[in-house]
Amino acid sequence: QLVLTQSPSASASLGASVRLTCTLSVGHDTYAIAWHQQQPEKGPRLLMKLNSDGSHTKGDGIPDRFSGSASGSERYLTISSLQSEDEAAYYCQTWDTGIQVFGGGTKLTVL
Amino acid sequence: QVQLVQSGTEVKKPGASVKVSCKASGYTFTNYGLSWVRQAPGQGLEWVAWISTYDGNTKSAQKLQGRVTMTTDTSTSTAYMELRSLRSDDTAIYYCARESGYYSSGNYYPSYFDSWGQGTLVTVPS
Repeated sequence: QLVLTQSPSASASLGASVRLTCTLSVGHDTYAIAWHQQQPEKGPRLLMKLNSDGSHTKGDGIPDRFSGSASGSERYLTISSLQSEDEAAYYCQTWDTGIQVFGGGTKLTVL
Repeated sequence: QVQLVQSGTEVKKPGASVKVSCKASGYTFTNYGLSWVRQAPGQGLEWVAWISTYDGNTKSAQKLQGRVTMTTDTSTSTAYMELRSLRSDDTAIYYCARESGYYSSGNYYPSYFDSWGQGTLVTVPS
């Protein structure tokens, strides 16, 4: 079964960097994912599509502070030079024939 | 630029139906599929269903099969999602999302969501 696992929460200081993790279920470590950001009281927006080799394609207007990488079944989102507006929920998404799957989301607090 | 504009807030009684619209602009409507995603209060994102704007083919999440219908009007570049037999746990914000999948040799290959609507709040009081 295709499942994505995310930690429910993370925190980091203003100006620092943080890495969020999304883990694919066993047998699915070649799958690409997408990262989406949802700021409070707003709809989601695409940050990037992230392939299993770590290559990624960002959404329109996404700053260079956001980057992606991958290792095995783990997919990472790194945010550098954290700003207050980065405080948001971050969801990973993947797909297969006839199905779309989201991780539970990580709520990032910027201290 | 790509825009997905959804219809407004709905309040429905248990057992009723709701139909939410999603009007696309800024791209060729039939070149991309559309999915519906919902978010219950304080919860995460849950995929509901998908429609091919090219041939009308649909797929839906197993828990909603039989209650959800998706249609499109290509003349107005609008997609619709109808959810029937509403229950209180259907209360959520419903988003439409453009899916960057593609057809090859008659098969559809799904992909990620690259653009989102603003969301439609559907409330079903218990």
